[in-house]
Amino acid sequence: QVQLQESGPGLVKPSQTLSLTCAVSGGSVNSGDYFWSWIRQSPGKGLQWIGYIYYSGTTYYSPSLRSRVNISVNTSRNHLSLELRSVTAADTAVYYCARVSAFSSGGHDYWGQGILVTVSS
Amino acid sequence: DIVMTQSPDSLPVSLGERATINCKSSQSVLDSSSDKSSLAWYQQKVGQPPKLLIYWASTRESGVPDRFSGSGSGTDFTLTISSLQAEDVAVYYCQQYYTTPYTFGQGTKLEI
Repeated sequence: QVQLQESGPGLVKPSQTLSLTCAVSGGSVNSGDYFWSWIRQSPGKGLQWIGYIYYSGTTYYSPSLRSRVNISVNTSRNHLSLELRSVTAADTAVYYCARVSAFSSGGHDYWGQGILVTVSS
Repeated sequence: DIVMTQSPDSLPVSLGERATINCKSSQSVLDSSSDKSSLAWYQQKVGQPPKLLIYWASTRESGVPDRFSGSGSGTDFTLTISSLQAEDVAVYYCQQYYTTPYTFGQGTKLEI
């Protein structure tokens, strides 16, 4: 059973960098069958796809966040990471990591429980 | 970006009734090479991450009850719950994966 678990600080000051990690168990980020996404959900709001990464390191980012975001993968530790720079209160959200098939379903079939990150001084 | 618009925003239904949620994309998400629409449906209960219900517009994810069904092609899609159960109370989202950036609908809240 694939499991994803996000971790990182729950509070980040404005203008600083939000850094999160997603540990993957029961599966490998080194698999060529999947992309690994970061998705966020502002309190009481809908879902926003941030971007995803392939095991090779190829990334795709949402244009609205591209200038501030970096997603990386660590195959030896089997985890992926998210960095979001110059955060503001608008970046307060629950951040999820999720797996998406590269070839078959296309839907995000496994999700972490999510981590609430609040941007506040 | 492809804009996904769901209707209604909230849907009051009774137990045992049929519930229908609509999703419209601002451009076609039909993959002509496979003749499949790149559209997924998710269910999100309070305090939980979204759960994948349907992909390719109409293929049920493993373990999803058969009272959930998806239909549609191109730009217009529907999620139907044939006989509403209490555990189906949730917010439902559609999502296109035809092209990046992936985009979600605003959500439809199912209420009993």
